[in-house]
Amino acid sequence: QFVLTQPPSVSGAPGQRVTISCTGSNSNIGTNYAVHWYQQLPGTAPKLLIYDDISRPSGVPDRFSGSKSATSASLAISGLQAEDEADYYCQSYDSSLSGWAFGGGTKLTVL
Amino acid sequence: EVHLAESGGGLVQPGGSLRLSCAASGFTFNNYAMNWVRQAPGKGLQWLSIITGSGGNTYYADSVKGRFTISRDNSKKTLYLQMSSLRVEDTAIYYCVKARGMTYYNYHMDVWGNGTTVTVSS
Repeated sequence: QFVLTQPPSVSGAPGQRVTISCTGSNSNIGTNYAVHWYQQLPGTAPKLLIYDDISRPSGVPDRFSGSKSATSASLAISGLQAEDEADYYCQSYDSSLSGWAFGGGTKLTVL
Repeated sequence: EVHLAESGGGLVQPGGSLRLSCAASGFTFNNYAMNWVRQAPGKGLQWLSIITGSGGNTYYADSVKGRFTISRDNSKKTLYLQMSSLRVEDTAIYYCVKARGMTYYNYHMDVWGNGTTVTVSS
């Protein structure tokens, strides 16, 4: 259903490091289209977290980092904090859709 | 401060129409492409449509092509989404989102409004 596949949920204890994967194909990430990540706290609008694979907007802590390889991308969150509990979405352009696609989202639970 | 404020949501019957508006402030509106993205209750994000800064080019997701029309009035710094032939599955929060990037295929969405809720029900 989604051209970008994310795990439905991940969890980690405070202080730990977690990663969220985003698996695409040759019509999106594999074509070297940029991958972007968004954080959506409960009851709020999404917020840009990582853009152009690895870049952080001003104000985003360096605990958040992005990477990309072949047809996949990952978001890593180190030093987990309670306030990181949110939904996370990856996004990229897809040439087969001729449009912009989001992954299905991953719910991060801080134990 | 960059700000986007959506309005126009509400309850509409299946088959009906609705026009959403998004007032922009804090940036040079006509320099940026703008998007509409929606989120159905309990679901993920879905990109719907984008319009270039000049308004000369528009693109749509297949799910809304032919039913929704994106437009903008740069003199009023306002983005619109005209929705017609609405279906129950169009029920969602609709976000107005500013695009940014060097090339269209690498656009990211750097500023989001708070959204306006559209409910399609009889």
